[in-house]
Amino acid sequence: GQQVMQIPQYQHVQEGEDFTTYCNSSTTLSNIQWYKQRPGGHPVFLIQLVKSGEVKKQKRLTFQFGEAKKNSSLHITATQTTDVGTYFCAGPGGGATNKLIFGTGTLLAVQP
Amino acid sequence: EAQVTQNPRYLITVTGKKLTVTCSQNMNHEYMSWYRQDPGLGLRQIYYSMNVEVTDKGDVPEGYKVSRKEKRNFPLILESPSPNQTSLYFCASRSGTGPNSNQPQHFGDGTRLSIL
Repeated sequence: GQQVMQIPQYQHVQEGEDFTTYCNSSTTLSNIQWYKQRPGGHPVFLIQLVKSGEVKKQKRLTFQFGEAKKNSSLHITATQTTDVGTYFCAGPGGGATNKLIFGTGTLLAVQP
Repeated sequence: EAQVTQNPRYLITVTGKKLTVTCSQNMNHEYMSWYRQDPGLGLRQIYYSMNVEVTDKGDVPEGYKVSRKEKRNFPLILESPSPNQTSLYFCASRSGTGPNSNQPQHFGDGTRLSIL
């Protein structure tokens, strides 16, 4: 079945360093969403990308959707301790299904 | 305040004792879904519902049941819980019913289940 993998599984950075997580789908996605889950919290929607090659920015966060719509990335510039959490990508299950397939997630730890 | 409410937040129970986790949303969303979250596996969809009386299996439906008798409620039922169902469970909802709908999902605070 369809799989959505994320790398790395875990990343530890010093505050101020940059961070990137990559999301790869086994199938083409019509759109991709990104969520952030703070420790002990629930996933919170960040953004969605729809167009091939689309790039969107939210302050220090830059989201990109690959040209083939099978991969995506989230880049954080100059991390802060408030960026700590797990970042998930998610895409539709494909076909007529209304499934949503989440990536395995990347846990970001930021050392002050 | 727009929200998804799950109950209970925590539950420790024993193998075979039926339990229900309730989920309610006040946003008039058509689509509701249940996920389980396990370390290293991310969020896996258990069941989802497109609207009242319409439910479909997600990727890991075995051992679970759901119902959607009202638009706002989507309970998750474990008829005979087993230890491998120990997990963190999230309910979510979103608007829209079309395939591949790209509306964002709103999540509840989660329910941590421990099956002994």
